[in-house]
Amino acid sequence: DAGVIQSPRHEVTEMGQEVTLRCKPISGHNSLFWYRQTMMRGLELLIYFNNNVPIDDSGMPEDRFSAKMPNASFSTLKIQPSEPRDSAVYFCASSTPGGLSNQPQHFGDGTRLSIL
Amino acid sequence: GDSVTQMEGPVTLSEEAFLTINCTYTATGYPSLFWYVQYPGEGLQLLLKATKADDKGSNKGFEATYRKETTSFHLEKGSVQVSDSAVYFCALSEGNQGGKLIFGQGTELSVKP
Repeated sequence: DAGVIQSPRHEVTEMGQEVTLRCKPISGHNSLFWYRQTMMRGLELLIYFNNNVPIDDSGMPEDRFSAKMPNASFSTLKIQPSEPRDSAVYFCASSTPGGLSNQPQHFGDGTRLSIL
Repeated sequence: GDSVTQMEGPVTLSEEAFLTINCTYTATGYPSLFWYVQYPGEGLQLLLKATKADDKGSNKGFEATYRKETTSFHLEKGSVQVSDSAVYFCALSEGNQGGKLIFGQGTELSVKP
């Protein structure tokens, strides 16, 4: 079975550029989560969706960050303009059904983002 | 608000030693509890879970028991292997949060041969 698929695996870009991270959740999962992991702050939830609708975006650091889920099989996390402090590993995770508390989340392998 | 606290790492053990990683939580309701493991360069993987008080989750020789009276979910393994070297995360999820997970800060485990 295909797991959560993230692309790209690595991204290196210059400050000020737009960055788009992509995620394909596991088929049939209807909850999707975006996390950021850094040494200093650990694992932070940025935003999550249920049935393609954003439920909680309180973790999105600022207006430079935006996330969309146009359909059940695709989501994007966009940073515009990017800054060096955005360098981190970004994870996408999905779960089912409808985000019940006892259902585990399945994580992708992450996108390692470096902003120069 | 809800929170999870783990013992600080890194934890360094010799192969075949006994492992305990402490985890305590604060929650307003009756959360489900999880342990996730992250190997280098990979995403998090579910290791085990427990959904109600006194439940014991187990997998790959690891165990954790949901203790409501002490609000704890300590991870244990009787004999660790070098391949268990990873970062371990304790997490909780409450029923009214749409599956949202609250993670602890993670504990790095290094097992030496």
